[in-house]
Amino acid sequence: DSGVTQTPKHLITATGQRVTLRCSPRSGDLSVYWYQQSLDQGLQFLIHYYNGEERAKGNILERFSAQQFPDLHSELNLSSLELGDSALYFCASSPETGSSSYEQYFGPGTRLTVT
Amino acid sequence: AQKVTQAQTEISVVEKEDVTLDCVYETRDTTYYLFWYKQPPSGELVFLIRRNSFDEQNEISGRYSWNFQKSTSSFNFTITASQVVDSAVYFCALSEGETSGSRLTFGEGTQLTVNP
Repeated sequence: DSGVTQTPKHLITATGQRVTLRCSPRSGDLSVYWYQQSLDQGLQFLIHYYNGEERAKGNILERFSAQQFPDLHSELNLSSLELGDSALYFCASSPETGSSSYEQYFGPGTRLTVT
Repeated sequence: AQKVTQAQTEISVVEKEDVTLDCVYETRDTTYYLFWYKQPPSGELVFLIRRNSFDEQNEISGRYSWNFQKSTSSFNFTITASQVVDSAVYFCALSEGETSGSRLTFGEGTQLTVNP
């Protein structure tokens, strides 16, 4: 158990819908990352938050957005869902302080299926 | 741009064999970090090791060992005396601390199957 929790574990929804994925980082970790794992794209970085502020964006679609709250949990919002958004979405947290790159501990993931 | 290549898509071995998973990376940064993660059939990503670009010492942890060679931009992972429980997808990843923040760039992964 990495200490990172993600809910829900599975999500099945229809095209055009909107969903919210939730992540709670390990105790004390200020950084939260979101990654998408799909068969055709592999594991891809989406976005990074550090202590409530957006730090970096990767290949994140405009239909997707995220935020990190004062209690450090994070949410990833996916809207106008398409079939191609079906994937495993991981959240990871890290103890990094901003001056070095530390290991990231991953949650169990949320498997999203868009039908 | 940073890139990680794991040329071996699938490897199949018999229990107790040694197996090496290859990882080659590309980066323009002088400061960077390399990682290995394991993804068992259950799907979670398990952190195995982190190595920074200034530390070329090889590392051994039980049956696992890692060989970091800056000259060839490689960070290979060896499992000695493999076991069925080692069956998983293994990912090598790179983080460029200076230019791209701490995001991880993953390789395509190597599916390791250890047969009894």
